[in-house]
Amino acid sequence: EPEVTQTPSHQVTQMGQEVILRCVPISNHLYFYWYRQILGQKVEFLVSFYNNEISEKSEIFDDQFSVERPDGSNFTLKIRSTKLEDSAMYFCASIRQVTTDTQYFGPGTRLTVL
Amino acid sequence: AQSVTQPDIHITVSEGASLELRCNYSYGATPYLFWYVQSPGQGLQLLLKYFSGDTLVQGIKGFEAEFKRSQSSFNLRKPSVHWSDAAEYFCAVGARQGNKLVFGAGTILRVKS
Repeated sequence: EPEVTQTPSHQVTQMGQEVILRCVPISNHLYFYWYRQILGQKVEFLVSFYNNEISEKSEIFDDQFSVERPDGSNFTLKIRSTKLEDSAMYFCASIRQVTTDTQYFGPGTRLTVL
Repeated sequence: AQSVTQPDIHITVSEGASLELRCNYSYGATPYLFWYVQSPGQGLQLLLKYFSGDTLVQGIKGFEAEFKRSQSSFNLRKPSVHWSDAAEYFCAVGARQGNKLVFGAGTILRVKS
């Protein structure tokens, strides 16, 4: 069964450094999402992406964040200058097409900012 | 705006006992409702979903959920819990297809033998 994959599984970085989290959505999926889950808290929506542009973003998704689909398979989340509070599990999700339904989630990348 | 409340942070049940996890949502129109499960260190796995039609939906691993519009609820049930069901369960609501999901805070299920 096709699945969403994410790399790396765990990333440790120093405060102020840039990080790029990578996701490979299920092929032929058209909508892509990033969510994050701070330890012990609920999963929060960050951004959705369709047709090579952001379709919706949350208040969390400020100028420090950006997303990109650099080729036909990868979907990336970049944090330009990481803060301690960016430490979280980041989940990528994708959906097949607008007329269908379920968001399929990847296994997540645990980001630790020191 | 949508919101989801899972009133139980932790639930402990005995193996073989029945289970009900509560979920209440707030949304003005007919919502899209989901239950996901997360095992420690793992991603989110979809258990079941409700979009329309029959208000009792069946999912994987023997789970079911019932949509009750009058109560704004979408409670998850399982008649007989297995030790492998121990995990965290999240209820989520979406406004429409392709829309962002809003998650509840989660319920941690512990299963005692």
